[in-house]
Amino acid sequence: AQSVTQLGSHVSVSEGALVLLRCNYSSSVPPYLFWYVQYPNQGLQLLLKYTTGATLVKGINGFEAEFKKSETSFHLTKPSAHMSDAAEYFCAVRGETSYDKVIFGPGTSLSVIP
Amino acid sequence: KAGVTQTPRYLIKTRGQQVTLSCSPISGHRSVSWYQQTPGQGLQFLFEYFSETQRNKGNFPGRFSGRQFSNSRSEMNVSTLELGDSALYLCASSETGGGANVLTFGAGSRLTVL
Repeated sequence: AQSVTQLGSHVSVSEGALVLLRCNYSSSVPPYLFWYVQYPNQGLQLLLKYTTGATLVKGINGFEAEFKKSETSFHLTKPSAHMSDAAEYFCAVRGETSYDKVIFGPGTSLSVIP
Repeated sequence: KAGVTQTPRYLIKTRGQQVTLSCSPISGHRSVSWYQQTPGQGLQFLFEYFSETQRNKGNFPGRFSGRQFSNSRSEMNVSTLELGDSALYLCASSETGGGANVLTFGAGSRLTVL
């Protein structure tokens, strides 16, 4: 069964500093990978996704993630943190078939210190 | 396009009661998935419906059920509520479900069981 781990349930960065949120997945075949963000009292919204092709994926709000098959990782980065980036971030994986469900990681809460 | 609409947004029930939550997907989306979100367990998959058929199911007791109508709107029902059912219930829709289809989430229904 597929699973997703996110290292660090809580990450704090200073405003303007690099944001790095880690995600590792377990899958026997290259899956589809996603990062979602959740702001307080809201549902999740898509930041970016990896399907096939280029391993460096750019998303909204300046975020990007790199798919590394050899490391089974899909870490999320942003060069410069902004106060508005404070939120919960979820990495997710899904298999190829229509019967595969989306499996979410436990989430990482990002705090941005002014 | 209008987003995914979930009703009600907040509700309070007592143990033993039952509750029905509603989800209206984005127009044209035929797949609806439901997730339970709690601080301790994160996002747990409940079930997915596609074209009025349950296509996938998570590991929840039979007290949790759902259905989908011909217009793709979905409802989930929880009978004999327990304190542990207190959670944010999120609905997500996608065009066909599976693979690279992106989930679009509603804002959720926050259930409190007293």
